Amino acid sequence: GQSLEQPSEVTAVEGAIVQINCTYQTSGFYGLSWYQQHDGGAPTFLSYNGLDGLEETGRFSSFLSRSDSYGYLLLQELQMKDSASYFCAVNQAGTALIFGKGTTLSVSS
Amino acid sequence: DAGVTQSPTHLIKTRGQHVTLRCSPISGHKSVSWYQQVLGQGPQFIFQYYEKEERGRGNFPDRFSARQFPNYSSELNVNALLLGDSALYLCASSYAGTGSSYEQYFGPGTRLTVT
Repeated sequence: GQSLEQPSEVTAVEGAIVQINCTYQTSGFYGLSWYQQHDGGAPTFLSYNGLDGLEETGRFSSFLSRSDSYGYLLLQELQMKDSASYFCAVNQAGTALIFGKGTTLSVSS
Repeated sequence: DAGVTQSPTHLIKTRGQHVTLRCSPISGHKSVSWYQQVLGQGPQFIFQYYEKEERGRGNFPDRFSARQFPNYSSELNVNALLLGDSALYLCASSYAGTGSSYEQYFGPGTRLTVT
């Protein structure tokens, strides 16, 4: 089978740094993606890791360790607008994306 | 350039009825995927089409079917609707097929309510 585990909720204050972890069990693994979804909105692509290591895109970074079946999304200099749901998703052979259940991030002032 | 468009935005149907949802991908994208998102959950993969051929199917019953047209637009059909089919149905497009479709562009979704 296939599964992804991520925390259901994370809270933080503006300006802080938060890390959202994701562990996965899957076959035919190509890579790990991260998506953001605001309430009532469409998921939007944030980052992708096809190889082990860190990918940095502005305030967001993502990390992958294939040997540990583990990845994380790091959000720095948090802003109120970062309050949203964050999904890790496995890019897998024979499917499009398999999503985790999502982590709700609440940023307060 | 226009993003992924979906129609209708909202739909209310009765149990047992049939529904057709439509999606137009970003111009130049050849792959369309369909997802079902129940409140509080992540999107669940239903189908992927690439160059008008089915490339992947998720764990959904045969009541769900889809197709992709020569202009790369797509339809998702659901027969014999059940209350549990109430969800947000998302369409996503990408340039390539499986393996490199990690960056998908999602439409706003169709909110289906089955009563």
